[in-house]
Amino acid sequence: AQTVTQSQPEMSVQEAETVTLSCTYDTSESNYYLFWYKQPPSRQMILVIRQEAYKQQNATENRFSVNFQKAAKSFSLKISDSQLGDTAMYFCAFMTDKVIFGPGTSLSVIP
Amino acid sequence: EAQVTQNPRYLITVTGKKLTVTCSQNMNHEYMSWYRQDPGLGLRQIYYSMNVEVTDKGDVPEGYKVSRKEKRNFPLILESPSPNQTSLYFCASSPRSSGRVDEQFFGPGTRLTVL
Repeated sequence: AQTVTQSQPEMSVQEAETVTLSCTYDTSESNYYLFWYKQPPSRQMILVIRQEAYKQQNATENRFSVNFQKAAKSFSLKISDSQLGDTAMYFCAFMTDKVIFGPGTSLSVIP
Repeated sequence: EAQVTQNPRYLITVTGKKLTVTCSQNMNHEYMSWYRQDPGLGLRQIYYSMNVEVTDKGDVPEGYKVSRKEKRNFPLILESPSPNQTSLYFCASSPRSSGRVDEQFFGPGTRLTVL
């Protein structure tokens, strides 16, 4: 069975600093997508970044970047220059036809 | 505006009273899905649909039904709700690219309480 693990239930970071959220997954598939979603207190699910498994280049979106290690089945999210608006739950998700989410990491950005 | 809509947004009901949560998308997406979110468990997939008249079970389908008669609509049906189905429910839709489901667009969520 496919699984997604986020080993850090809670994290905090000082404003303007950098933080890395970890995600590992288990699958026998070779073609899949990986995503990070953000859920602020409003509960809305917001896409942060996506990565296609067949692409070796790590995805980057402004202050957000990933470290995708396919052989190690690892997909960490790095947030640079953290802002107060980054405070939220962050979910890692693995997608083929089914979708598996990790349990989430609650990130607090401290002024 | 491209969006996924869910109704109702909030619902309090009693055990055993059948209910339906509607989901509609206006992006012509093939893929639609339902999730429930519970504290500490993240989002868990209930059912998904690859296209009209095609539905499949996710990880937690027990106690739920779905149908996909039209591309834009994907209602979630609880025939006999129980208190353990109290949760936050999300509907989502996705296009497909490279043969795989791509980014999901989420509805605003439905908070369901079963007494």
